[in-house]
Amino acid sequence: EVQLMESGGGLVQPGGSLRLSCAASGFPFSNYWMTWVRQAPGKGLEWVAHVKPDGSDKYYVDSVRGRFTISRDNAKDSLYLQMNSLRAEDTAVYYCARDDGWYAFHIWGQGTMVSVSS
Amino acid sequence: QSALTQPASVSGSPGQSITISCTGTSSDIGAYNYVSWYQQHPGKAPKLMISAVTNRPSGVSNRFSGSKSGNTASLTISGLQAEDEADYYCASYSKGGNFDVFGTGTKVTVL
Repeated sequence: EVQLMESGGGLVQPGGSLRLSCAASGFPFSNYWMTWVRQAPGKGLEWVAHVKPDGSDKYYVDSVRGRFTISRDNAKDSLYLQMNSLRAEDTAVYYCARDDGWYAFHIWGQGTMVSVSS
Repeated sequence: QSALTQPASVSGSPGQSITISCTGTSSDIGAYNYVSWYQQHPGKAPKLMISAVTNRPSGVSNRFSGSKSGNTASLTISGLQAEDEADYYCASYSKGGNFDVFGTGTKVTVL
């Protein structure tokens, strides 16, 4: 079964750090662009970051550039999001998703909640 | 990078057809045929309904169809059913470094 499973969310104080993980299974992970999308409570979807299959190219939304780092370990079929200098406005459910081409995300994880609060 | 603009809500009766619009700019929707649509039920992950403006993934009902004209894309749901009640988001590739941008979201209500 094709599956993505996020982990690593939790409560963190403003200015803190958190590392999200996304474990992939059931497909050749190293063949696909992967992305992180977030959704603040009661709000819409926001694309956060995208990484090339070999990890060489990475793209970020302006609001997280310089604070977040997307990475992947193809040997472990895993995607990561290192989040530093966290702010209250980063509070959201974070989803990892697989880009099946045409910048469309066909497979999604169940999401992991990140809460930034003192 | 601004979000694509969608109506906040659209409603229809069972069996009717509804259309959700998604307005962008010449830097996103107007420049590329990389528009996708997602359905999201409360507390669930989004589900891809349409990719590349008109392509319907395997398993998605043919009651869902997509189109584009200029800077505006549209999702049409025909033969509206109770299970179609959900939030719908459009998305488009956007040049200028931000890669991808989502719409503001539309809540579909089946009356």
